[in-house]
Amino acid sequence: DVVMTQGALPNPVPSGESASITCQSTQSLLHSNGKTCLNWYLQRPGQSPQLLIYWMSTRASGVSDRFSGSGSGTDFTLKISSVEAEDVGVYYCQQFLEYPLTFGSGTKLEIK
Amino acid sequence: QVQLKETGPGLVHPTQTLSITCTVSGFSLTSYYVQWVRQTPGKGLEWMGLIRSGGNTEYNSEFKSRLSINRDTSKNQVFLKMNSLKTEDTGVYYCARDDYGGLNWFAYWGQGTLVTVSS
Repeated sequence: DVVMTQGALPNPVPSGESASITCQSTQSLLHSNGKTCLNWYLQRPGQSPQLLIYWMSTRASGVSDRFSGSGSGTDFTLKISSVEAEDVGVYYCQQFLEYPLTFGSGTKLEIK
Repeated sequence: QVQLKETGPGLVHPTQTLSITCTVSGFSLTSYYVQWVRQTPGKGLEWMGLIRSGGNTEYNSEFKSRLSINRDTSKNQVFLKMNSLKTEDTGVYYCARDDYGGLNWFAYWGQGTLVTVSS
């Protein structure tokens, strides 16, 4: 199985500052179509996860352009520019190169 | 609009079988995959399996021996059944769907149903 490992944030992050969340996979997530099979989600307290980014860097419908995804075959970053109170929650990466689909363990964001 | 809603038993005794129904609206089960994801205190988010638009299934081998996913397209319902429940299966179970059909990300989620496995 592809194991996804996420880094921690130096919480709390001051409001208005940027935050970068890292994710690593145990194998390259580069698909034969040239795209990278990596998604990002935010789970706000008490809510279901919400899709933020798919194909590593494509924002989902309605997602603020303060969120951006980048990376290479095994190393990925979700950047949140100018964090706001509504960004609080746990962020997860997820690979979909192969089954079983797997998630990272989550990175918690707190705002100061 | 697209909606998914899980209905489950709440409490299940160890060794018993869990049955959860995902009722969908706003789309056809013959056009989209429906997937199951659970969230447990011990393992976080875990993908369990899916049923494709054509009706065939894919399972996480972690659960394969005790998990089955089926559907009734006429009722817009997808069913998860898992037997031999253990206390570690306690968690929130979600059904989810992508936004384009046939892709393995989750743009739409149900609200989740909490399952507690306890005697």
